[in-house]
Amino acid sequence: GQNIDQPTEMTATEGAIVQINCTYQTSGFNGLFWYQQHAGEAPTFLSYNVLDGLEEKGRFSSFLSRSKGYSYLLLKELQMKDSASYLCAYLLYNFNKFYFGSGTKLNVKP
Amino acid sequence: DVKVTQSSRYLVKRTGEKVFLECVQDMDHENMFWYRQDPGLGLRLIYFSYDVKMKEKGDIPEGYSVSREKKERFSLILESASTNQTSMYLCASSLLSRGGDGELFFGEGSRLTVL
Repeated sequence: GQNIDQPTEMTATEGAIVQINCTYQTSGFNGLFWYQQHAGEAPTFLSYNVLDGLEEKGRFSSFLSRSKGYSYLLLKELQMKDSASYLCAYLLYNFNKFYFGSGTKLNVKP
Repeated sequence: DVKVTQSSRYLVKRTGEKVFLECVQDMDHENMFWYRQDPGLGLRLIYFSYDVKMKEKGDIPEGYSVSREKKERFSLILESASTNQTSMYLCASSLLSRGGDGELFFGEGSRLTVL
């Protein structure tokens, strides 16, 4: 991706909490998105942050620090169905262009 | 329900063939995008369009062209397919939003194999 980094793979246990980090370097930033992608399927929207702070949506939360160029996705009470790739992406305001990280493959084990 | 439809889920083509990948969205979105997704490289933007007959190159436009004759339809064209264009192709659309909340809606993807 365009100066956007996230770990390649993570493993966690069912019922646990996992944090997936994402760092980025850009100017003209207008929002940070997280997408979930199950194997062989299209990415689906999870969350969006434009201001600093934590956005909570059920078991999933996303955090953004614009000054640090840092975001994380927090998944609580992990379920087997959460095994998927999680894509971090930022939106460039001027061009409505999204830039994606390479994705973090999360393996949830019993 | 929001829908982005890609014409083919799986295609197998030969080197040198012309390939058309079609994408239609029913949400009246201004923006449409074509990405390719390869292991370890993530999603890379090929072309995008923010209006009918308008197109902008993304990060990897070489070997590709696009067409947007109608708002709902955005086509990706491989003039002469090559083996390094074997990939998963994802179409997406979003609202043109100055508020920055234009999330992307993706199609199911088209897996192209070039032999």
